[in-house]
Amino acid sequence: DSGVTQTPKHLITATGQRVTLRCSPRSGDLSVYWYQQSLDQGLQFLIQYYNGEERAKGNILERFSAQQFPDLHSELNLSSLELGDSALYFCASLVWGTPPSYEQYFGPGTRLTVT
Amino acid sequence: TQLLEQSPQFLSIQEGENLTVYCNSSSVFSSLQWYRQEPGEGPVLLVTVVTGGEVKKLKRLTFQFGDARKDSSLHITAAQPGDTGLYLCAGAGNAGNMLTFGGGTRLMVKP
Repeated sequence: DSGVTQTPKHLITATGQRVTLRCSPRSGDLSVYWYQQSLDQGLQFLIQYYNGEERAKGNILERFSAQQFPDLHSELNLSSLELGDSALYFCASLVWGTPPSYEQYFGPGTRLTVT
Repeated sequence: TQLLEQSPQFLSIQEGENLTVYCNSSSVFSSLQWYRQEPGEGPVLLVTVVTGGEVKKLKRLTFQFGDARKDSSLHITAAQPGDTGLYLCAGAGNAGNMLTFGGGTRLMVKP
């Protein structure tokens, strides 16, 4: 158990709809990273938050947005959903490993299916 | 942009065989992590290597970081069906907190 929680585990919705994915980082961790993993693909970085502020953006579509709340949980909002948005969405929490390394611990993911 | 290339992409072997997975880049990384992911689950961190030339062992798994910190390898001795999964390498840049992931190596070990 990584200590990172994500809900829901599975989500099935129709094209054009909007969904919200939720993530709680490990206790005490201030950073949250969101990733998308399509079938048989590697992990694509979407966005990073640190203590409520956006820190870095990756390949995130304009239809997608995220935020981190004062209690450090984060939500990823996906709107105007398309079939191609069907994927696994992971969040990760950052911890300091042996300096100078940083290690990311991943949640169990949310499987989004757009029909 | 830092890129990590993993090879091979797919590997299917018999139980008891040895294998090596490679992770290569033209960029220098401050550290490199290896993850293992099972279908429908999140990646699980296996090891972090930090120093050029470093070798770490985790039971039958041996991880090596290249001297120039641009490449890494994962060697599995006497593979078992339980080793089946997707192996991902990820390099951390100078800032340390951003990871670049390789495309993954999908390993299947047949009994």
